[in-house]
Amino acid sequence: QQQVKQSPQSLIVQKGGISIINCAYENTAFDYFPWYQQFPGKGPALLIAIRPDVSEKKEGRFTISFNKSAKQFSLHIMDSQPGDSATYFCAATLSGGSYIPTFGRGTSLIVHP
Amino acid sequence: EPEVTQTPSHQVTQMGQEVILRCVPISNHLYFYWYRQILGQKVEFLVSFYNNEISEKSEIFDDQFSVERPDGSNFTLKIRSTKLEDSAMYFCASSALGTDSGYTFGSGTRLTVV
Repeated sequence: QQQVKQSPQSLIVQKGGISIINCAYENTAFDYFPWYQQFPGKGPALLIAIRPDVSEKKEGRFTISFNKSAKQFSLHIMDSQPGDSATYFCAATLSGGSYIPTFGRGTSLIVHP
Repeated sequence: EPEVTQTPSHQVTQMGQEVILRCVPISNHLYFYWYRQILGQKVEFLVSFYNNEISEKSEIFDDQFSVERPDGSNFTLKIRSTKLEDSAMYFCASSALGTDSGYTFGSGTRLTVV
């Protein structure tokens, strides 16, 4: 009920390409879906987030697409750069509670120059 | 930019020993959290802390774990008798309002139990 399933586990993209990471959740009560970016040796950092009242949110090269009926959401990185190489975690939470995100397993993204 | 500071960055300990991991949350934050990440796996919630008491904890946070805010700045995680499977990266996080607002992670402490 609390799981967030993330795929793929790893992703290799050429510079300039589009990186797509998918997540699915089970708990329909979740109402806040953040994505975190983690560089080696660092803690996760909030990248972008979406609420289920919109189907898409874009910030620069990063876009979240949200499909409420399918209980799925995805992160698209346009024009991927080597500096985007990191581990990406999707998460889901109840914003009205104490905000404890349930994380996906993570996707290791490598962008080749 | 304000940071969550964790010390030490890496700790090696003998199985059965006690360890204390330290965190200095962002100064005006009121909600504090510990997470762990076993190598190559997802980030897992351990415990949240507000108003000098535990507000939520996961099933991972059993009796060998405890948290404390001994003064106005530090937030500690104690593991009483470490086991090999406690080897992981431990992240502290803090937030201002217990919401997504300003939810910030530290850089973590890598704990290795040998």
